Amino acid sequence: EADIYQTPRYLVIGTGKKITLECSQTMGHDKMYWYQQDPGMELHLIHYSYGVNSTEKGDLSSESTVSRIRTEHFPLTLESARPSHTSQYLCASSESRDLRSEQYFGPGTRLTVT
Amino acid sequence: DQQVKQNSPSLSVQEGRISILNCDYTNSMFDYFLWYKKYPAEGPTFLISISSIKDKNEDGRFTVFLNKSAKHLSLHIVPSQPGDSAVYFCAASYQGGSEKLVFGKGTKLTVNP
Repeated sequence: EADIYQTPRYLVIGTGKKITLECSQTMGHDKMYWYQQDPGMELHLIHYSYGVNSTEKGDLSSESTVSRIRTEHFPLTLESARPSHTSQYLCASSESRDLRSEQYFGPGTRLTVT
Repeated sequence: DQQVKQNSPSLSVQEGRISILNCDYTNSMFDYFLWYKKYPAEGPTFLISISSIKDKNEDGRFTVFLNKSAKHLSLHIVPSQPGDSAVYFCAASYQGGSEKLVFGKGTKLTVNP
């Protein structure tokens, strides 16, 4: 069973607030990812990291930023939340030794910006 | 432009029968395909994968078939169980694509008792 955690699970926040979505994994995976998913739509990769101090933007443009200071921690930050940021945010991780290992997902954070 | 397509938003089957979920892709560079299952309020969980060097991979009740010439893959669940009711996502990746996964929109499977 994968050990990847996301907090908070649900967040309702007003426009203009700064928010940080937390993601932690205890599996020692080097690779971590953030996806954004709207209801009934596909998951879109917005950020990924191949290890400490490594971060890259994904295929979907996002106003969020990420950091990777520790292997197990990959937080996502929105400096100023807007209603267009309302979505579900999913964090995932995978092993690096196997190029084709599957990604393990956390439970997600459902963000609503009012 | 959607590179991974799941054209059936939903599928309903009877318990004990076969469920067949379909997925089409457009990028011929994709060489690794995965299926994920997602329950409400949970993250996706990995089900089964297949490399492009194979045309079939089986794991218990789940079998994935790959037809490279048609750029089509399918997931067969036999026999279907009520606990299989979930949204199923098809995903694809390729070497040189930084192993990033490209997902379809998902198919909601309902297995009726």
